[in-house]
Amino acid sequence: DSGVTQTPKHLITATGQRVTLRCSPRSGDLSVYWYQQSLDQGLQFLIQYYNGEERAKGNILERFSAQQFPDLHSELNLSSLELGDSALYFCASSVAANEKLFFGSGTQLSVL
Amino acid sequence: DQQVKQNSPSLSVQEGRISILNCDYTNSMFDYFLWYKKYPAEGPTFLISISSIKDKNEDGRFTVFLNKSAKHLSLHIVPSQPGDSAVYFCAAHLGHTGNQFYFGTGTSLTVIP
Repeated sequence: DSGVTQTPKHLITATGQRVTLRCSPRSGDLSVYWYQQSLDQGLQFLIQYYNGEERAKGNILERFSAQQFPDLHSELNLSSLELGDSALYFCASSVAANEKLFFGSGTQLSVL
Repeated sequence: DQQVKQNSPSLSVQEGRISILNCDYTNSMFDYFLWYKKYPAEGPTFLISISSIKDKNEDGRFTVFLNKSAKHLSLHIVPSQPGDSAVYFCAAHLGHTGNQFYFGTGTSLTVIP
């Protein structure tokens, strides 16, 4: 158990809909990262937060947004969903911005 | 632009033999490298790392080698065990433009008993 909690584990929705993925980092970790893993793809970096502030942005679509709250949990919002958004979404946390990542078990999103 | 590449999608090795997983990268500014292991239905877990100023790091059965001139790193597992069967991701850290970790596409290792 990495200590990073992601909910829900599975999500099935329809095209055009909006979903929210939630992540609770390990106790004491200030940095949260979001990654997307599509079929046969590596982990694509989406966005990073550190202590509530956005620190780095990767290939995140404009339809996607995220935030980190004062209690350090983070949410990833995906809107106007398309079939191609179906993927495994991972959250990871680290104690500092340049320390190794601890991953949650992911949220499997299926867009039908 | 895939800055970290794992060109072998899969690898099969006999139990007790050596497993060698390879990774290539393009950005010379990466300051350290990591290997993660992933079992089905679980998130990746950290295995071993190496700083860009070193060429070898060892932890038990796992050794990571870094060849900076070739922009290549490898993970050696000796001896391989059936429980090592998993997907292995290579990752590289870039600090100077904001902390980002770049991951390869993974190599699925199967250790045959």
